[in-house]
Amino acid sequence: DQQVKQNSPSLSVQEGRISILNCDYTNSMFDYFLWYKKYPAEGPTFLISISSIKDKNEDGRFTVFLNKSAKHLSLHIVPSQPGDSAVYFCAASGGVSWGKLQFGAGTQVVVTP
Amino acid sequence: DGGITQSPKYLFRKEGQNVTLSCEQNLNHDAMYWYRQDPGQGLRLIYYSQIVNDFQKGDIAEGYSVSREKKESFPLTVTSAQKNPTAFYLCASSIAGGMEPQHFGDGTRLSIL
Repeated sequence: DQQVKQNSPSLSVQEGRISILNCDYTNSMFDYFLWYKKYPAEGPTFLISISSIKDKNEDGRFTVFLNKSAKHLSLHIVPSQPGDSAVYFCAASGGVSWGKLQFGAGTQVVVTP
Repeated sequence: DGGITQSPKYLFRKEGQNVTLSCEQNLNHDAMYWYRQDPGQGLRLIYYSQIVNDFQKGDIAEGYSVSREKKESFPLTVTSAQKNPTAFYLCASSIAGGMEPQHFGDGTRLSIL
């Protein structure tokens, strides 16, 4: 039973444009959400997080939006750069999963010149 | 530089053999985790440990074992009982507590000969 879903396996975006990655979750007890970026044959790198008491968190080019009523979060990358080409994972924890992360399947982002 | 070191990067195992993957961290983190990643899938939690000499099963613990004798080290043994051990294994650590990001090593790719 997958509790965190990333329904878009891939996304292609032009350099300089906005990348929008989406993530849905089913467990209403989740209260902490994270985005990770992963290059092939490397470990994921933490990008940005948000707790359920907020609906937006921004860090440089990265902004995460949380819609608790829809159980949906999104990651915006503006402007997209070639180095952003990677797999992005959404993760969540909370409730009985406190301290344990549940991951989505990932979205492959390709930034084209 | 503080970080998480996983070794070896590539590991080959004959069927029926046990093999141990190493994970060491010098971040002074209390919590450590082992995940498995299969192609096209997200990370799935195998085992985690919030404190020395204590560990808990994750979502897919069957066929695996761990120990946590030192704060810095959390080795994972893939036993012969694991039916499909070929995967990318990732170790992570975090400050104990729910709302802290986990930081990952660069992984070990295990293949069966």
